[in-house]
Amino acid sequence: ETGVTQTPRHLVMGMTNKKSLKCEQHLGHNAMYWYKQSAKKPLELMFVYNFKEQTENNSVPSRFSPECPNSSHLFLHLHTLQPEDSALYLCASSQETELPQHFGDGTRLSIL
Amino acid sequence: AQTVTQSQPEMSVQEAETVTLSCTYDTSENNYYLFWYKQPPSRQMILVIRQEAYKQQNATENRFSVNFQKAAKSFSLKISDSQLGDTAMYFCAFMIWGNQGGKLIFGQGTELSVKP
Repeated sequence: ETGVTQTPRHLVMGMTNKKSLKCEQHLGHNAMYWYKQSAKKPLELMFVYNFKEQTENNSVPSRFSPECPNSSHLFLHLHTLQPEDSALYLCASSQETELPQHFGDGTRLSIL
Repeated sequence: AQTVTQSQPEMSVQEAETVTLSCTYDTSENNYYLFWYKQPPSRQMILVIRQEAYKQQNATENRFSVNFQKAAKSFSLKISDSQLGDTAMYFCAFMIWGNQGGKLIFGQGTELSVKP
């Protein structure tokens, strides 16, 4: 039990599909994050939500749309993705943005 | 620009030996935190050790310790008595604070293999 649960674990989709990634944290944290992890590259911060409000959008294309209905849940809606979007998408949470983050196991996304 | 550099893409060490992973960073900030995260094949990122920049004493966590050289902007991780379960990707990161709160900047990672 990691405390941060991501589903699905793997996702294969075509470029015209619409899908969503889900993240749930059971730690009572107030901040949640989406990261993209591509091979041989540093983790890239995509979005930050603090108390359900988006506080960071790191120049992410609009084909990625985050949603944070409450402090425990975070979604990443995917639409018309490109092959270069294939990566591991990691969700994380922290009590406050200044405190260490706890990560989920990630969703391995493959775009055909 | 805030950057983290891990110059060793891959390393290997014999079980029970000691290995040091290097990390340098660049920031104009004076207050920040430094972290080492471990990512085993299970993919979960696990916090290994944390260092506050204002502390001169190097952090230690069981077999893991750091050598923090603030002037040189260096933050290496030493793993003593390496175990097979230490095989993983290791990421160095630092956290800075902006108007919107803390932000983690990661390095590219070092893939460590512990051999029996």
